[in-house]
Amino acid sequence: AQSVTQLDSQVPVFEEAPVELRCNYSSSVSVYLFWYVQYPNQGLQLLLKYLSGSTLVKGINGFEAEFNKSQTSFHLRKPSVHISDTAEYFCAVRDSNYQLIWGAGTKLIIKP
Amino acid sequence: DVKVTQSSRYLVKRTGEKVFLECVQDMDHENMFWYRQDPGLGLRLIYFSYDVKMKEKGDIPEGYSVSREKKERFSLILESASTNQTSMYLCASSLLRGYAYEQYFGPGTRLTVT
Repeated sequence: AQSVTQLDSQVPVFEEAPVELRCNYSSSVSVYLFWYVQYPNQGLQLLLKYLSGSTLVKGINGFEAEFNKSQTSFHLRKPSVHISDTAEYFCAVRDSNYQLIWGAGTKLIIKP
Repeated sequence: DVKVTQSSRYLVKRTGEKVFLECVQDMDHENMFWYRQDPGLGLRLIYFSYDVKMKEKGDIPEGYSVSREKKERFSLILESASTNQTSMYLCASSLLRGYAYEQYFGPGTRLTVT
């Protein structure tokens, strides 16, 4: 069965600094990977997805993620964070039944 | 824009009560999902539905049931609420089975069972 590990439960970072949120998945023949974001008091929304093709995927709000098959990772990055990026970020992988397997989430805390 | 609405943002119920959580989507999506979100555990799938009157168990169906009588509406039922069902409940929908990954979420219902 597929699984997803988000290595950090919280990541504090200063405003305008770069950030990386880490995600590792269990190996599979074909992998579809996703990052969702949950802003305070809201539901989740899709940030970006990797289905095939270029390993560098760009999403909304300046975020990008890189699919690394050899390291089974799909880390999320942003070169300069803003206070409005305060949210919880979830990594997910699609399983063979078309369902999403979710990581535990990483809270991004922006320090002024 | 896809809109998924949930009947309540906050709900407080007593142990043993029957609880209904309603979810409505307005984009003619085939798939609907109920998740439970707890700190440190991410999202756990309770039930999902690919069609009207059709339901399938997710990872944690015990203590829950669902109903989908109309395409746009998916209800989660707690037959006899217990304190360990205190949680955030998220409803989601997606267009087609093969597109289950692109899910659209409602704002969530925070349920407290006392």
